[in-house]
Amino acid sequence: KAGVTQTPRYLIKTRGQQVTLSCSPISGHRSVSWYQQTPGQGLQFLFEYFSETQRNKGNFPGRFSGRQFSNSRSEMNVSTLELGDSALYLCASSLSRGYNEQFFGPGTRLTVL
Amino acid sequence: AQSVTQLDSQVPVFEEAPVELRCNYSSSVSVYLFWYVQYPNQGLQLLLKYLSGSTLVKGINGFEAEFNKSQTSFHLRKPSVHISDTAEYFCAVSDKWGAQKLVFGQGTRLTINP
Repeated sequence: KAGVTQTPRYLIKTRGQQVTLSCSPISGHRSVSWYQQTPGQGLQFLFEYFSETQRNKGNFPGRFSGRQFSNSRSEMNVSTLELGDSALYLCASSLSRGYNEQFFGPGTRLTVL
Repeated sequence: AQSVTQLDSQVPVFEEAPVELRCNYSSSVSVYLFWYVQYPNQGLQLLLKYLSGSTLVKGINGFEAEFNKSQTSFHLRKPSVHISDTAEYFCAVSDKWGAQKLVFGQGTRLTINP
């Protein structure tokens, strides 16, 4: 069974641009969560999607948004990039809501210049 | 709201020595507890989890952790470490209502010296 895949693995953008990251969950998994990892702030929850609906949201500005498609694939978008958005963005999938083990992808490394 | 404190940012140990990575949490509600490991340039892998029941939890790669409700701790232990255990370890908590939202500690970098 293939794991969680994230594309692209690396991205370089400049301030003010926008970026879209993609996450394909494990087959059959319906819940997708996103996390931001930085040296200063550590791992922080961004949002969770289940059945194409955002179910939970972390404390991030509105520049961070996401969506989930009917096949459970998810994208997150960051608009008007700032230097502080440079981070590793991790996606995790689980079978459904409630507690199920979350399986993490390898992440997308975003660098904002 | 929950919070997690990992008391050591770095822990160096010699190969085959025992290790304990400390984690304390704060929460006003019942929680689930987790330990994850992150190898360089990789995502997170679940080592073990506490949901309910026995307070001693065994995980993969010989790791175990003990949930102590009175001390709000969930320390990770391994009796004998190997070079391949070199990685960053994260303690995390979620409440039982928003179980997909993990709150992580700052991480402990475990370095195994030969």
